[in-house]
Amino acid sequence: EVQLVESGGGLVQPGGSLRLSCAVSGFTFSTYAMSWVRQAPGKGPEWVSVINDSGSSTYYADSVRGRFTVSRDSAKNTLYLQMNSLRAEDTAIYYCAKSFGEWGLGTLVIVSS
Amino acid sequence: EIVMTQSPATLSVSPGDKVTLSCRASQSVDSDLLWYRQKPGQAPSLLIHDASTRATGIPARFSGSGSGAEFTLIISSLQSEDFALYYCQQVKNWPWTFGQGTKVEIK
Repeated sequence: EVQLVESGGGLVQPGGSLRLSCAVSGFTFSTYAMSWVRQAPGKGPEWVSVINDSGSSTYYADSVRGRFTVSRDSAKNTLYLQMNSLRAEDTAIYYCAKSFGEWGLGTLVIVSS
Repeated sequence: EIVMTQSPATLSVSPGDKVTLSCRASQSVDSDLLWYRQKPGQAPSLLIHDASTRATGIPARFSGSGSGAEFTLIISSLQSEDFALYYCQQVKNWPWTFGQGTKVEIK
């Protein structure tokens, strides 16, 4: 059974940083592209970032490019999202996704002073 | 960026009704179109991929159609769990973009 468990969310001040993690199990992590998707309160989802299976290619939404960095550690079966220079508009539930049909439960990030 | 527009914003219907949801892309996305259902407090759940193929375990009351820039999701007979938000998403070009959603509510 595929499991995706996000962690690392919380309350952070504007301009601050957070690192989200997604621990995966139930599939061969190193052979799948992985994604981060977020959903602000009362809004539709936004596909934030994608990283290919080897980690050699990454893609970012314009809203986070230059501030967020996606990475992966196949030895730890873990996906990461380093978020810097956080803004109030980054407040959202952040989900990791193995594919379009497999998402975790999410972790809440609140950016507020 | 491809802009996805869903209509209507809200549908007020009764259990057992047939509903039709629409999704329009600002340019052709071929058949690279997904539909999701989102229940309160949950992550979106994939219903349809490749515009018309039901995802694993999705019942036959859900059907998707269309290609290019115009797409439709039909729910043939609404069940209680179908009163939810529905999103379309194009995965033709990065960034993959969602519509703003259609809320299906009980009349």
